[in-house]
Amino acid sequence: DAKTTQPTSMDCAEGRAANLPCNHSTISGNEYVYWYRQIHSQGPQYIIHGLKNNETNEMASLIITEDRKSSTLILPHATLRDTAVYYCIVRNSGGGADGLTFGKGTHLIIQP
Amino acid sequence: KAGVTQTPRYLIKTRGQQVTLSCSPISGHRSVSWYQQTPGQGLQFLFEYFSETQRNKGNFPGRFSGRQFSNSRSEMNVSTLELGDSALYLCASSLTGANIQYFGAGTRLSVL
Repeated sequence: DAKTTQPTSMDCAEGRAANLPCNHSTISGNEYVYWYRQIHSQGPQYIIHGLKNNETNEMASLIITEDRKSSTLILPHATLRDTAVYYCIVRNSGGGADGLTFGKGTHLIIQP
Repeated sequence: KAGVTQTPRYLIKTRGQQVTLSCSPISGHRSVSWYQQTPGQGLQFLFEYFSETQRNKGNFPGRFSGRQFSNSRSEMNVSTLELGDSALYLCASSLTGANIQYFGAGTRLSVL
């Protein structure tokens, strides 16, 4: 699976949009971009994933650049409960048996 | 639908003992993966089971083992515990493994 690079930490004001970048310049054609988050001492929570088109669900939006070498997770109206570590993971579509490879993620802190 | 259930939530053991952790996946999910999370190493993949067969294994010593039952419930066992085995152990289930993984709350193991 391709390696990802994320900023170590970010701050965002409550009520504003939080934009979390991820670089995955070595991504290959059949690899998806997944985002998970982990609130302190809980299990990781799935947020969203995509291949090449932008995706939106009730939690967030995922914007993938045309060359697929980077992506941005957008939390449209951040709340204090969105404070967590956010992980960007690139995963092969056929990787049924392969575990998720977690990096260090981005610690997002929502400020009141 | 009930989520992934891990028991127990907390465990305290002493060096040299062994421990068994349990994971009940989401109903209908046949793949169960196990992860270890420590402050120093982050989230690391242990192994994955599908239809009672271990399909993949991470880079952990043989003291770490697991199994899956016909109802997809899974157990992991750690023998001859070491201080460094103190960690949050997370279980994740998915339909086939190649899909979204849903995590349990984890079992926090402390080895004294």
